[in-house]
Amino acid sequence: GENVEQHPSTLSVQEGDSAVIKCTYSDSASNYFPWYKQELGKRPQLIIDIRSNVGEKKDQRIAVTLNKTAKHFSLHITETQPEDSAVYFCAASIYGAGGTSYGKLTFGQGTILTVHP
Amino acid sequence: NAGVTQTPKFRVLKTGQSMTLLCAQDMNHEYMYWYRQDPGMGLRLIHYSVGEGTTAKGEVPDGYNVSRLKKQNFLLGLESAAPSQTSVYFCASSFPRRGINEQFFGPGTRLTVL
Repeated sequence: GENVEQHPSTLSVQEGDSAVIKCTYSDSASNYFPWYKQELGKRPQLIIDIRSNVGEKKDQRIAVTLNKTAKHFSLHITETQPEDSAVYFCAASIYGAGGTSYGKLTFGQGTILTVHP
Repeated sequence: NAGVTQTPKFRVLKTGQSMTLLCAQDMNHEYMYWYRQDPGMGLRLIHYSVGEGTTAKGEVPDGYNVSRLKKQNFLLGLESAAPSQTSVYFCASSFPRRGINEQFFGPGTRLTVL
């Protein structure tokens, strides 16, 4: 099955700096890559996702890049703010014709991001 | 809309006891999932369902059973709880389409097995 590795496990930055989290996946058939943010004691929430037919996607201060050849994708957060402090999870999924993958996500281990004021 | 809800929020069990966790969603989603979250291990899929009356095993199904008798509800059962099942359990639901599958999570259930 799919295996997703996420690095680093912890990341500490100063407010205003950029943060980058990287993930690698094993199954070349994976074609959907979401990122979830989980604040302390809260539920995970989708912040951005990318499909394999797109190399980069941006949404305000966050962006995701995908390298299908190398089988890795990254989350970039610019101008970090204290409220960005949370655990971030990457995930990978195979979204086949007719949805036969059933939307199953394989998650990375998570990155604890701390933004210091 | 309440989205995805879970009951109970917290529970403490003794080894060998049984319990059922309830997940409910009001978004008319076809797909529902149960995950467990342990420190340093991310979210791992226990069981999932692609529609009313269907269930399937995920990555870590041993020791758990599920049922989806109604489209809006997905139940997770522990027949004989073990300390290794101490975890935070999240339910999620989704409606995959056009290559996108945003999963909406419930607030979680923190389970401790003594």
